[in-house]
Amino acid sequence: DTTVKQNPRYKLARVGKPVNLICSQTMNHDTMYWYQKKPNQAPKLLLFYYDKILNREADTFEKFQSSRPNNSFCSLYIGSAGLEYSAMYLCASSRDLGGYAEQFFGPGTRLTVL
Amino acid sequence: TQTVSQSDAHVTVFEGDSVELRCNYSYGGSIYLSWYIQHHGRGLQFLLKYYSGNPVVQGVNGFEAEFSKSDSSFHLRKASVHWSDSAVYFCAVSAVNYQLIWGSGTKLIIKP
Repeated sequence: DTTVKQNPRYKLARVGKPVNLICSQTMNHDTMYWYQKKPNQAPKLLLFYYDKILNREADTFEKFQSSRPNNSFCSLYIGSAGLEYSAMYLCASSRDLGGYAEQFFGPGTRLTVL
Repeated sequence: TQTVSQSDAHVTVFEGDSVELRCNYSYGGSIYLSWYIQHHGRGLQFLLKYYSGNPVVQGVNGFEAEFSKSDSSFHLRKASVHWSDSAVYFCAVSAVNYQLIWGSGTKLIIKP
């Protein structure tokens, strides 16, 4: 099974409210990623876990949090949503760390902030 | 700084036509180049990748891509497209042990 699941598929949030997105994979992959995707833009890496170690991109460090309670699950947490957070959020996993490793993606969660 | 450029936001062809989706990158060292496909409502799926060796790499469903160091390109091609090839195609570049840098995608539209 090469499925990556994301919940919810659609999320409506109010400005200033928290948002929690969930991702799961059953491939026993060491690495899990979160990307933000806006229309006509490239996926933007927000953060990734390699095993239990979290790496956050410098320009999004303060905006996004994450947890990985076990190998299969990874969450993305926004403490206070702003309008600019409206986007598709893509979760992916890979066997190894690094660009040579194929990434497996979930279908995404479309977040709309009002 | 690595960059990836997919100059065509949309490409429209007829079913049965050949197609080339363009990808250009800027990076000076050894890199991995990949193509991913995203069908509507689904996650991105790996198509193929190149690191070294034969510059023409074969992927699934008849897709192939050719690496050109002189042109800094990794264009994706298919000889005869099917309606099911309608999707958004993403090119990605990575230095060894670094994360992927993505292009903005090219939407392939297949007319019947």
